[in-house]
Amino acid sequence: RKEVEQDPGPFNVPEGATVAFNCTYSNSASQSFFWYRQDCRKEPKLLMSVYSSGNEDGRFTAQLNRASQYISLLIRDSKLSDSATYLCVGNAGNMLTFGGGTRLMVKP
Amino acid sequence: SQTIHQWPATLVQPVGSPLSLECTVEGTSNPNLYWYRQAAGRGLQLLFYSVGIGQISSEVPQNLSASRPQDRQFILSSKKLLLSDSGFYLCAWSRQGGFSYTFGSGTRLTVV
Repeated sequence: RKEVEQDPGPFNVPEGATVAFNCTYSNSASQSFFWYRQDCRKEPKLLMSVYSSGNEDGRFTAQLNRASQYISLLIRDSKLSDSATYLCVGNAGNMLTFGGGTRLMVKP
Repeated sequence: SQTIHQWPATLVQPVGSPLSLECTVEGTSNPNLYWYRQAAGRGLQLLFYSVGIGQISSEVPQNLSASRPQDRQFILSSKKLLLSDSGFYLCAWSRQGGFSYTFGSGTRLTVV
């Protein structure tokens, strides 16, 4: 079983739609969680950290459910520029473990 | 501010040739350093990580090696490349203690 699992997608949504990604993690000792964004043929870049209380950054909202060991990312009012692969990340000790990514395609 | 530099951006090498990819970090000291590989359409595979000069941990058996000759320099090497070594190689750094990683811009290696 992978330590961090995500639906690979792709999620095809129209502009303006709301889309949500979930990911599950297996290491109950994980304390730090993040969402990264990776554009085609580019390096992953940190999108946002995920806190237990949930956090919001503009159109993006991240939630952590420790009891069920899953993390979510909600994107509201999708833009064409949101098209990318979104990587769910959790820590295992001092190391981060990356999920395989969920591909999002926002269409006009 | 901290920056990470990785070069070259692209590389085409024949099978059996050597490889050396370099990564340097500026603006911080004693970073954790990582080498990842990403095959086309696949996830990130951790190859090596280092918590200090001369300290290298390998995650997967392979014909690649890594070295950290200076605090902020991390080098990925191979004596003889295989076709299966093709991929997108990413260097990353982080502070100690489970903080987020910052990636370099990557090297796209094609072995022919």
